[in-house]
Amino acid sequence: KQEVTQIPAALSVPEGENLVLNCSFTDSAIYNLQWFRQDPGKGLTSLLLIQSSQREQTSGRLNASLDKSSGRSTLYIAASQPGDSATYLCAVRSAGGTSYGKLTFGQGTILTVHP
Amino acid sequence: GAGVSQSPRYKVAKRGQDVALRCDPISGHVSLFWYQQALGQGPEFLTYFQNEAQLDKSGLPSDRFFAERPEGSVSTLKIQRTQQEDSAVYLCASSVPPGGIPYEQYFGPGTRLTVT
Repeated sequence: KQEVTQIPAALSVPEGENLVLNCSFTDSAIYNLQWFRQDPGKGLTSLLLIQSSQREQTSGRLNASLDKSSGRSTLYIAASQPGDSATYLCAVRSAGGTSYGKLTFGQGTILTVHP
Repeated sequence: GAGVSQSPRYKVAKRGQDVALRCDPISGHVSLFWYQQALGQGPEFLTYFQNEAQLDKSGLPSDRFFAERPEGSVSTLKIQRTQQEDSAVYLCASSVPPGGIPYEQYFGPGTRLTVT
């Protein structure tokens, strides 16, 4: 059974800092990995999707890397801003079986960027 | 274009009541997923539809949970005889192709269910 773990559970940083969020998964047989952002009381906003054949994806100040063989992904946020404050969720899409594309999520990292 | 929509956004139910939660996926999306997100946790898979066929319901926590998608578009998640442990945010997601193809899932805003 796929399990996804995110570290740290919470992170508080001053504005302008670069930061790294970590995600690990137990079964390396995946199709892709997705990073989401969730604001309080809101749904999920997809930030980056990395296919299993890719090593990284970039969007603006965000960069996500994937090391499938070791079961790890990192989300790098450059020059953090207060507006980046949210919960960040990592999710993997397992390959094979009858998973039908369901995502397995980590518990999330609560990020607070203070001015 | 319009994204995934869910209604109601908030629902308060007394223990023992039945509730129905609605999901309108993005038009033309074949795949539809329901997830349950307890407070402080990541979402957990409940069930999957490909068009009107429910192909995976392995995540439904009990037989009080029932989902349908009769015409292959709108889906309803029904919870009978609600219990306090059912309190959570229920998220719906859709994607274009059938399961088995690794495309992105688009999520709705969720329905927050509180059982008192």
